[in-house]
Amino acid sequence: DVKVTQSSRYLVKRTGEKVFLECVQDMDHENMFWYRQDPGLGLRLIYFSYDVKMKEKGDIPEGYSVSREKKERFSLILESASTNQTSMYLCASRVLGGDEKLFFGSGTQLSVL
Amino acid sequence: GQQLNQSPQSMFIQEGEDVSMNCTSSSIFNTWLWYKQDPGEGPVLLIALYKAGELTSNGRLTAQFGITRKDSFLNISASIPSDVGIYFCAGQLRTSGTYKYIFGTGTRLKVLA
Repeated sequence: DVKVTQSSRYLVKRTGEKVFLECVQDMDHENMFWYRQDPGLGLRLIYFSYDVKMKEKGDIPEGYSVSREKKERFSLILESASTNQTSMYLCASRVLGGDEKLFFGSGTQLSVL
Repeated sequence: GQQLNQSPQSMFIQEGEDVSMNCTSSSIFNTWLWYKQDPGEGPVLLIALYKAGELTSNGRLTAQFGITRKDSFLNISASIPSDVGIYFCAGQLRTSGTYKYIFGTGTRLKVLA
């Protein structure tokens, strides 16, 4: 089974802090994604990466950046956390040219105070 | 970003009853995915659909790819208490040379024992 692991289940940070959310997948998937999930808004794409060192903005990239130095790891960075970034963050991966299945991690519930 | 119309938004049912939910869109999709999400957890893939008209089962779950490729349905037969959770659909489409996943807003299912 595909395993997508997010390093933290719960995080509490203060406004202005730099926050790193880490995601690792063990299936050699080329494509990785970061979404945020908010009640009533569903899943919204923040950034995605086709492959190592490649990144593309999603629908709501403002206030975020990403890093993909190794194929298995995709990091989401909040440069200066704000209260409106309190959310559930979900990482996902899929294999390029495969069966189109998107696999999610368990999520990180981030609270910014 | 885009969202799929998913209905119903929530439902309470008695244990043993069958459940139906659906997603509709104005866009044509190449792939439909159905997920279940438990509170505080990441979404878990239930069923993937690839062709118009396709009907696929996973235990008590059955999903169909609509003929128009703009909708999909999920049925759960003989519901049990552990079916409680949020179910949501995702459609994949190709646009501007790339692909996107569009998500439904979810159906919250509660099963009364």
